[in-house]
Amino acid sequence: GENVEQHPSTLSVQEGDSAVIKCTYSDSASNYFPWYKQELGKGPQLIIDIRSNVGEKKDQRIAVTLNKTAKHFSLHITETQPEDSAVYFCAASINDYKLSFGAGTTVTVRA
Amino acid sequence: EPEVTQTPSHQVTQMGQEVILRCVPISNHLYFYWYRQILGQKVEFLVSFYNNEISEKSEIFDDQFSVERPDGSNFTLKIRSTKLEDSAMYFCASSEDRGRAEQYFGPGTRLTVT
Repeated sequence: GENVEQHPSTLSVQEGDSAVIKCTYSDSASNYFPWYKQELGKGPQLIIDIRSNVGEKKDQRIAVTLNKTAKHFSLHITETQPEDSAVYFCAASINDYKLSFGAGTTVTVRA
Repeated sequence: EPEVTQTPSHQVTQMGQEVILRCVPISNHLYFYWYRQILGQKVEFLVSFYNNEISEKSEIFDDQFSVERPDGSNFTLKIRSTKLEDSAMYFCASSEDRGRAEQYFGPGTRLTVT
């Protein structure tokens, strides 16, 4: 089955700096790649996603890039703010039903 | 903004007991899912459900697990005879349809089996 690896496991950045989280996937048939943000006591919240026919997608301060050849995708957060502190998960899906998640990255934005 | 809700937020049960975890998906969504996250591990897919049938299930989802949509709003996960290793956070999710893959997650139910 699909295996998603996510790095780093923790990331500490100064407010205003950028944060980058990287994921790799194993199954070349995967075609949908969402990113989720999870705050303490809450469920994962979808923040951005990308399909395999697109190389990059941006939504305000967050962007996702996809390299199908290398089977990796990344989340970029620019101008980080304290409210960006959370656990971020990448995921991959072959069939839109089953999401395979990475292990998560705990992002801390230092004021 | 519509959201997925789950009850209870925390369930403590003894090994061997049956538990039912409840979810109310977003009202116009047609696909429903259960995932679980054992402490310190990845979020794992359990099952997807569409049109009153299981559309896919993982190897974790054995005969001890079942899902049901008993009415037009609730979606339940039943574990017939809980084991210690079933202790985890269980997340329900829903999505609009196959062409809109975005899955929206509930806040989770923490299941503790003693």
